Parts: sequence; structure tokens; C-alpha cells
Amino acid sequence: DQQVKQNSPSLSVQEGRISILNCDYTNSMFDYFLWYKKYPAEGPTFLISISSIKDKNEDGRFTVFLNKSAKHLSLHIVPSQPGDSAVYFCAASGAVRGGADGLTFGKGTHLIIQP
Amino acid sequence: DSGVTQTPKHLITATGQRVTLRCSPRSGDLSVYWYQQSLDQGLQFLIQYYNGEERAKGNILERFSAQQFPDLHSELNLSSLELGDSALYFCASSVYPGGLGELFFGEGSRLTVL
Repeated sequence: DQQVKQNSPSLSVQEGRISILNCDYTNSMFDYFLWYKKYPAEGPTFLISISSIKDKNEDGRFTVFLNKSAKHLSLHIVPSQPGDSAVYFCAASGAVRGGADGLTFGKGTHLIIQP
Repeated sequence: DSGVTQTPKHLITATGQRVTLRCSPRSGDLSVYWYQQSLDQGLQFLIQYYNGEERAKGNILERFSAQQFPDLHSELNLSSLELGDSALYFCASSVYPGGLGELFFGEGSRLTVL
């Protein structure tokens, strides 16, 4: 049972436009969410996170939005650049539970930025 | 460079065999996590160690085991290997024992079972 779902395996966006990556979760105990980016032949790297006490967190071109009632979060990249082409993983943690079971990851969305 | 080192990078072996994957965490990180990424799957959490002690178990098979040594490096042992064990195995480390904060991932060990 997938507790963190990324329903779009891939997404193609034109350079300069906005990229929106979506993620849904089912476990109401999750209260800390992260996005990781992965290039081929490399490990995932941390991008941005958000705590459940917030509904938005911004870092440069990257903004994460959290809608707790819908159990949905999204990552916005504006403007999209060629170097953003990568696989993006959504991850969740139950900090209230001490997060001792590690992060739960989605299957990832392959973002392709078209020139 | 995340500071997490995994060896070997690639490993090809036969069914029924046993392999050991090694991970050196970032300097100062006490937590080590192991994840498995199979084809078309996300990162599946296997097991976590914190300062030498097992802290949490995920979807780890009984044929798999791990440990964290006093110098904080960790090893993941995979035995009686099956074709379905072919995957990318990632190690990650963090300062915190729990799930808060980012994890720093190594480049992974790609295991192919023939």
C-alpha cells in the first residue's frame, strides 16, 4: 500500500515555464514532508521541506505547498531550467512518532525540461 | 558530493549467493538508513541504525541483515539472493535519530543477480 503517491511518472515542461509536481499521501500521521531530486547515477539530494504547521515554504525558484485537508503537496519550480531535468521524489515523515521508521518515499516523477 | 560513501558501486552475482554492501556515513552523522530502489519503484525503506543500535525496521526481508559498527560505518548483508533482489541499494545518513531533517544519500550500490 503506497502511503505516498506521485501519480505522474513523467512531466515535460518548456524552459522558462512553471513546473508543478504533485504528491498525495494517505497517512494522517505524516507531518513533515520533503522533496528530493535525483540525477542519473547519483543519489537523491535534498531540495526543500515543509512542516505541517505551514502551508507554504519557498527557497529561490522552488516553492512547496501543503494542503493538509486534502493530504496533498506540490512542488513549483519557476522558472524551469534545463538543469532541473531529473527525477523528483516526494517523501514524508511522522515526526510526532519520532520519525523512527525513516522517510516514506513516492515512486518519483521524471521532469524533463524542453529547450 | 554528499559525504556518504558506498561500496561497491556495481556488483554482479548469481542466485543463491551472499553479498555485503558497505556504507560510510558523513562525518558526525550517527544515523544510517538503508533503502532499496527496484525497477519502477520508489525508495523502499529497509532499516535504520542510530549510534550502533537498530532503531527501525521497514520492509527488510529475513534473508537481509545489517549492522552498524563502532566507527559508525554500516554493512548490509544480502543472502540466498534471488533474481528479484536486483536493485539499487542506497545508504543515507543524518545527524538526527528520527525522521526530521534531510537525509544525505550515497550514490548507491547497483546489485545484479543473474
